[in-house]
Amino acid sequence: AQTVTQSQPEMSVQEAETVTLSCTYDTSESDYYLFWYKQPPSRQMILVIRQEAYKQQNATENRFSVNFQKAAKSFSLKISDSQLGDAAMYFCAYRSERSGGSNYKLTFGKGTLLTVNP
Amino acid sequence: NAGVTQTPKFRILKIGQSMTLQCTQDMNHNYMYWYRQDPGMGLKLIYYSVGAGITDKGEVPNGYNVSRSTTEDFPLRLELAAPSQTSVYFCASRYRGFTDTQYFGPGTRLTVL
Repeated sequence: AQTVTQSQPEMSVQEAETVTLSCTYDTSESDYYLFWYKQPPSRQMILVIRQEAYKQQNATENRFSVNFQKAAKSFSLKISDSQLGDAAMYFCAYRSERSGGSNYKLTFGKGTLLTVNP
Repeated sequence: NAGVTQTPKFRILKIGQSMTLQCTQDMNHNYMYWYRQDPGMGLKLIYYSVGAGITDKGEVPNGYNVSRSTTEDFPLRLELAAPSQTSVYFCASRYRGFTDTQYFGPGTRLTVL
């Protein structure tokens, strides 16, 4: 079974600065997807960024980028020019590429609570 | 599109009571999922469905039941509520195809006393 580990329960960053959230995972599969979700106080789960394991290029979405190290099974999220609205719980998630409904389920880490200081 | 909607947003149950958490999506997604999120933890899969009339168990199905009579709706039934079912429940959906991402509802906070 796959596992996802987020070793930083809490992180803080000054507004306009850069912060990196860590995520490692364990899998025996070669093809899979990795995700970062943001959960603000409203509790809504919002997709931030997605990475396909077969792609060597790191995904980017505006101020959000990842550092995907497949051999090391590491998937960190970098937030540049942090804004007050970035404050939230961030979850790293894994999904198998194998077909079938359950295999499309997301395996989540425990989350990192990000605080943005003005 | 409204996306994935869930009702109610909050609910308090007494031990032994039953209730149904509603989930509806208007994106014509094939796959739907129910997750629970316990304090300080990530989400865990309760049940999932790959289409109308087809459901299957996830990691933590005990104490729950689901049905999928239409593409849009995927209700989660709690029978004989227990304090261990105190959690936040999320419904999610996605289109067919392994490249598509899951879209989540806003969640239901359930407390069993």
